[in-house]
Amino acid sequence: NAGVTQTPKFRVLKTGQSMTLLCAQDMNHEYMYWYRQDPGMGLRLIHYSVGEGTTAKGEVPDGYNVSRLKKQNFLLGLESAAPSQTSVYFCASGYKSTNEKLFFGSGTQLSVL
Amino acid sequence: AQKVTQAQTEISVVEKEDVTLDCVYETRDTTYYLFWYKQPPSGELVFLIRRNSFDEQNEISGRYSWNFQKSTSSFNFTITASQVVDSAVYFCALGGAPYYNQGGKLIFGQGTELSVKP
Repeated sequence: NAGVTQTPKFRVLKTGQSMTLLCAQDMNHEYMYWYRQDPGMGLRLIHYSVGEGTTAKGEVPDGYNVSRLKKQNFLLGLESAAPSQTSVYFCASGYKSTNEKLFFGSGTQLSVL
Repeated sequence: AQKVTQAQTEISVVEKEDVTLDCVYETRDTTYYLFWYKQPPSGELVFLIRRNSFDEQNEISGRYSWNFQKSTSSFNFTITASQVVDSAVYFCALGGAPYYNQGGKLIFGQGTELSVKP
C-alpha cells in the first residue's frame, strides 16, 4: 500500500527559482493538506483542499500556490523561491473531515540558497 | 481563531520514568476534535489518538493515557514507564467541525521533543 507519496524527497533551489512539489494518495481521500515544519514552530498549515477542484488558504499561504485538479493529487508550487521557504514540507490526506485521522507523507526537505 | 499551545519544547527523562506532555487549545467551536501525533526520528508522523469535544472520558492504551478536560481546555498525554523507543517529537492538534469551520483546518501545536535516556 503506497498511502501518501511525496516527490521529490530532497531539493536545493536558488533564490528566485520555481518548483512544484507533488503529493499523491491512493486512498480515495477527499481532504488533502500541505504543511511546513520549522524548528520551534511545529507544523503550520499552508493550503488545504476539501475535494477535487477546491483549495483554501491555511495559516501561512503567502509565496505558495496549490492545485487539486485530480482527487488523488495535490500540488504545491513555489513561483519564486526565497530562503525563508527553506523547510520540511509534509503532505497529508484524510478521508472525509477533521474528525478523522490524517495520513502523512514522508516529507520533502527543501533548501533555498 | 484556533490555537494549540504545547509549552514544553523539550523534555528529557530516564527510562521507566512517567512523563506527561501538556497541550492547551483555544477554539470558539462547540464541536471540535483533538489529536496526538508522534514523529519519530525517521520523520513520518504517526497518528496516536483522536478525541471529540463531547467525550471527556480519559483513555488508556497500554502505556499511553490521555486526559481531556474541557474546563481547562487541555488534552494532556502521559507515557507510563517510558522507553527509549518513545523518543520522538509529539504533536497535539485541533480540528474544527467541517460544516462551519471553512471545511476542515487541522491546526498543530509547536511540538514537544521527548528524549528518553537508558
